[in-house]
Amino acid sequence: GAVVSQHPSRVICKSGTSVKIECRSLDFQATTMFWYRQFPKQSLMLMATSNEGSKATYEQGVEKDKFLINHASLTLSTLTVTSAHPEDSSFYICSARVGGEMNYGYTFGSGTRLTVV
Amino acid sequence: GQNIDQPTEMTATEGAIVQINCTYQTSGFNGLFWYQQHAGEAPTFLSYNVLDGLEEKGRFSSFLSRSKGYSYLLLKELQMKDSASYLCAVFNNAGNMLTFGGGTRLMVKP
Repeated sequence: GAVVSQHPSRVICKSGTSVKIECRSLDFQATTMFWYRQFPKQSLMLMATSNEGSKATYEQGVEKDKFLINHASLTLSTLTVTSAHPEDSSFYICSARVGGEMNYGYTFGSGTRLTVV
Repeated sequence: GQNIDQPTEMTATEGAIVQINCTYQTSGFNGLFWYQQHAGEAPTFLSYNVLDGLEEKGRFSSFLSRSKGYSYLLLKELQMKDSASYLCAVFNNAGNMLTFGGGTRLMVKP
């Protein structure tokens, strides 16, 4: 089946530094990828929609200068958390829609646990 | 905007049946998904409903009523490994994206 590979799975960084998270679609092309954030015991909140070859679309309240998204190819989207602060500590997950059939659903990456100390 | 509601927590006994409800209010509805998520892991796809009725897949079934803005996920013959969060998500065709409900944490007890 379709796989979205997400790296790293866990990262600990110091306040003020930047962290890059990568998501790759391994056996399909993803013109659109979605980036979610999930705080403990809460559901997934959409942060932004990443579009190959164009600017990302950010949800209300998400700072585009802080969460930089790059979707340079049909198989790779990256999220960079810049000048990270402890409140950015969260579980970040990317997702892509596989093909045109809705029954395939949306495939998720394995997630990145970010801890900012 | 979109509003998706599901119970926060449920508890059930191994071997039993449990029904997790989801109600939604949205414009441009084009389908509803159910996902299972174990703690610290990514969600995994369970089902997709776009037409009214029941879709059965082994121990899991999902029902949709578009006129009522209502869906449920039915889990039969519960196993301990079914302890997880179950996420209801609505697909909005206009935005080509999924919006998730708050998730229901299911605890299966022996």
